[in-house]
Amino acid sequence: EVVLTQSPATLSVSPGERATLSCRASQSVSNNLAWYQQKPGQAPRLLIYGASSRATGIPARFSGSWSGTEFTLTINSLQSEDFAVYYCQQYDNWMCSFGQGTKLEIK
Amino acid sequence: QVQLQESGPGLVKPSQTLSLTCTVSGGSIRSGLYYWSWIRQPPGKGLEWIGNIYDNDSTYYSPSLRSRVTISVDTSKNQFSLKLSSVTAADTAVYYCARWISSCSASSCYNFDYWGQGTLVTVSS
Repeated sequence: EVVLTQSPATLSVSPGERATLSCRASQSVSNNLAWYQQKPGQAPRLLIYGASSRATGIPARFSGSWSGTEFTLTINSLQSEDFAVYYCQQYDNWMCSFGQGTKLEIK
Repeated sequence: QVQLQESGPGLVKPSQTLSLTCTVSGGSIRSGLYYWSWIRQPPGKGLEWIGNIYDNDSTYYSPSLRSRVTISVDTSKNQFSLKLSSVTAADTAVYYCARWISSCSASSCYNFDYWGQGTLVTVSS
């Protein structure tokens, strides 16, 4: 079973700055990793799929990258609506799992 | 536009079976391209994948829940369902149904793209 570890648990960043969120997989999942944003009381929203491709309608300030088992979500020029909880999700051998989440808060 | 809507009891007694249904609108539940999933989120905690069901009714479940979970599809109603047996307070959560993409294309790759709004199920006597 693949375990995803997200860091940090909480990230405090000022509006207009850049946020970098990390997700580490316990074993190789190739690029079968997605990122989601969740706001209070809402269902998660797909941001990134295939580790680095933006989903439909997602602003260009969101980007994903990866190297081996390390995945990164970068949000440039943070807007007020970007402060939320972010989850990574992997797929491997018919199984899925989520990371524990990173809360992005206003500094 | 695909829409998913969860329905079912909001309160279940300990040791009983939790049963939820997800109604899919805006597309056929048997498309050969899209599949279906349940995901849950305990209050104040993270997301937990429960399981997926495919067109041939093959199912794959989280190892931690496998012994208690059943996911099934009712094509006549364009619905799929979740049953979780022998529930305890630890099963209290918001339960989401979602569409699962089990391949890679120009627009998706092994991800959940459409989600229901979620329904809170509380396990309590």
